[in-house]
Amino acid sequence: SQQGEEDPQALSIQEGENATMNCSYKTSINNLQWYRQNSGRGLVHLILIRSNEREKHSGRLRVTLDTSKKSSSLLITASRAADTASYFCATDEGNAGKSTFGDGTTLTVKP
Amino acid sequence: DAGVIQSPRHEVTEMGQEVTLRCKPISGHNSLFWYRQTMMRGLELLIYFNNNVPIDDSGMPEDRFSAKMPNASFSTLKIQPSEPRDSAVYFCASKGGYKGYTFGSGTRLTVV
Repeated sequence: SQQGEEDPQALSIQEGENATMNCSYKTSINNLQWYRQNSGRGLVHLILIRSNEREKHSGRLRVTLDTSKKSSSLLITASRAADTASYFCATDEGNAGKSTFGDGTTLTVKP
Repeated sequence: DAGVIQSPRHEVTEMGQEVTLRCKPISGHNSLFWYRQTMMRGLELLIYFNNNVPIDDSGMPEDRFSAKMPNASFSTLKIQPSEPRDSAVYFCASKGGYKGYTFGSGTRLTVV
């Protein structure tokens, strides 16, 4: 099964509202990354949080990491229609050199 | 920086034909990854290279799939013979150091 599992699978909100997506994983990690994928496009790296960090901000994005619960959350504040996309978490484990992606959360922001 | 460049963007081919997908990673990135994305199975890692050397090809579905990285600026993923179930979007991504991946725009493959 996937290392990272996003929750919810789909989320629909109104423009201006906040959107929160969660990611759970199973094993110890070096870091966790969040990506956005617009329809028909490749994934775009949003933010990386290391295992010794608890919170990170980038513009309207806020990521938290709780290694005791093996979970992370991505908060998008004041959402816009342009934020409509699928969001994926990915975990880097050990020295494997590769990340494992979850199945993604599909976010729809209605204007 | 032009990012990760994949070609072709779209490929339609008949069952049994050979398909070659191409990727140019970001200069200086020492890791390259090939992924396949479908609605049913999501994003699957097929193979990845470190410093042009294949490290893990356990995700390659069958012997019909092969990948090469002859130098630091070019990689190919080949499917021979292609089958309808190979239809998917194939992504190439590169990474340098302990940072996130940079993905290409993908190749949408349709095998009829």
